[in-house]
Amino acid sequence: AQSVTQLGSHVSVSEGALVLLRCNYSSSVPPYLFWYVQYPNQGLQLLLKYTTGATLVKGINGFEAEFKKSETSFHLTKPSAHMSDAAEYFCAVTPFILTGGGNKLTFGTGTQLKVEL
Amino acid sequence: KAGVTQTPRYLIKTRGQQVTLSCSPISGHRSVSWYQQTPGQGLQFLFEYFSETQRNKGNFPGRFSGRQFSNSRSEMNVSTLELGDSALYLCASSLEGRGSTDTQYFGPGTRLTVL
Repeated sequence: AQSVTQLGSHVSVSEGALVLLRCNYSSSVPPYLFWYVQYPNQGLQLLLKYTTGATLVKGINGFEAEFKKSETSFHLTKPSAHMSDAAEYFCAVTPFILTGGGNKLTFGTGTQLKVEL
Repeated sequence: KAGVTQTPRYLIKTRGQQVTLSCSPISGHRSVSWYQQTPGQGLQFLFEYFSETQRNKGNFPGRFSGRQFSNSRSEMNVSTLELGDSALYLCASSLEGRGSTDTQYFGPGTRLTVL
């Protein structure tokens, strides 16, 4: 079974500071990894995803993540936080091979990002 | 293109009742997945439908069911509601439901409160 662990349920940064949200995965085979963001009273929006190829993935809103197989990590970063980045962030994994195909995302428990002036 | 729409947005039911939630995917998308989000359990996969067939299923009791119509619209039904079913139910659609290449687009969710 695959799973993801997000370290830190709450992260607080100052505006302009580096954002680092941690995600570690557990999988016996290479997984596909995702980061989603959820603003209050809204659904989830895809920030970026890793499937194959380049391990440094760039996403929307200046976010990027690096897939590190040796560390089983997929941490999300942004060089300079903005007030509008305040939201909840979810790391997710889906199997490389799913019997019958299809989607089945397994989410982490989420990290609430607070951005302070 | 219009995004994923879910109706209703808010719903209040009492224990023992049943409820039906609706999801209209993005035009052209054939895969629809449902997720339950609660403060205690987080985001959990319920099931996925593709071409009117349930393709994947999560670990939920049989009270939770769904279906997909020929136009890809999907409904999920919860029978004999329990207090613990109070949650945000999210629907997501994608073109073919291929985890590697398809992006899942999420709707705003239906907030179900069971009293």
